This record gives sequence, structure tokens and C-alpha cells, in this order.
Amino acid sequence: DSGVTQTPKHLITATGQRVTLRCSPRSGDLSVYWYQQSLDQGLQFLIQYYNGEERAKGNILERFSAQQFPDLHSELNLSSLELGDSALYFCASSVGTGGDQPQHFGDGTRLSIL
Amino acid sequence: QKEVEQDPGPLSVPEGAIVSLNCTYSNSAFQYFMWYRQYSRKGPELLMYTYSSGNKEDGRFTAQVDKSSKYISLFIRDSQPSDSATYLCAMYRSGYSTLTFGKGTMLLVSP
Repeated sequence: DSGVTQTPKHLITATGQRVTLRCSPRSGDLSVYWYQQSLDQGLQFLIQYYNGEERAKGNILERFSAQQFPDLHSELNLSSLELGDSALYFCASSVGTGGDQPQHFGDGTRLSIL
Repeated sequence: QKEVEQDPGPLSVPEGAIVSLNCTYSNSAFQYFMWYRQYSRKGPELLMYTYSSGNKEDGRFTAQVDKSSKYISLFIRDSQPSDSATYLCAMYRSGYSTLTFGKGTMLLVSP
């Protein structure tokens, strides 16, 4: 058990809808990262928050947004969903932000768009 | 050219074999190197973490980094069926806080 909790485990919804994925980091970790994993693209970094502030952005679509709350949990919001958004979404956390801070992953949310 | 290349496999070996998993990378700015193991329907689990060139051993696992060749390896000794999983290499680029992943190699260890 990595200590990173993600809910829900599965989400099934339709095109055009909006969903929210939730992540609770490991106790003591201030950084939260969001990744998307698909069969053809592998693990793709979306966005990072550190202690409530956005720290880095990757290949995140404008339809997607995230935030980190004062209790350090994070939410990833996906809107105007398209079939191509079907994927596994992972959250990871680390103590800090540098390369000497290994990231620990949750078990992901599987999103299926019908 | 992708920044990190990893053969997707699958790599099939018999129980007890020595397994070699590899990644190459193109950007010499990568400084920290990691190996993650991912079981089906689970998140990536950190296995090994190295900074410098050379070898690092942890039980049956040895991580090797050759920065001059931009090549990293993970060796698994006495492989077990429970080692069957996808192995992802990942690395940090200096000045960035995000990981760049390889696409993963699927390993199948048969009893």
C-alpha cells in the first residue's frame, strides 16, 4: 500500500459530461501529481501541485483542470468528455518537488466514456 | 525521437531465470533514475531509485546506470511468477520536478 488514495476506482459516463477525480496524498507529502495512462501513450504527466499552488504543467487539455486544497487533497476535473479521454488516471505524491523526491502512486481511477 | 525508449515486450522467461530490462534516453540532463513495477489494475510501485552511474542492489534487484551511454538497466535474479508485471523506467531532468516515463516492458515469468 503506497499510502496514496484515489476515488472512485471506476467511473463510467457519457460524452459531453463532467467528472471529478479525487486524490489523498501520503501523510506528510506536499506535492501531488496527476498522470494519464493509455495503452498507446503510456504514462503522461498532466499537472503538479505543491502545497496548494500549481507547480508544473504537462500535456493537460484545456478541458481539464485541477486544484489542491488546504488539507492537501487534490481533485482533477474533466469536462466536455470525449471518447478519447477514456484512460487510467493516476495520482502520485512526494514530500517535495525535486528530483531527489521519489513519487508514490495510487491505484488509479479507470474512466470509461461511452 | 522519444526522450525515453523502452521495449514493450512481452518478455517471457522461465522461473529462476535472470531478467534484464533496459531503457535508453536521449537527454543528458536526466539525473535521477527510477524503476517502477506495475501489476494489472494497480498503480506503479517504486522498486529502485538511483542518482549516479553505477550499480545499486536491493535483494534480487540490481539497477544499473550508464550515463555515458545514456542506458539504464534493471536485473532481476531468480525470477518468480510473482515478478510478472509491467516494468516502467522513469527519470528526472535537472531543473524540472516531473518524471518522464518509458512505456514499460511486460514481463511474464512462467512456473
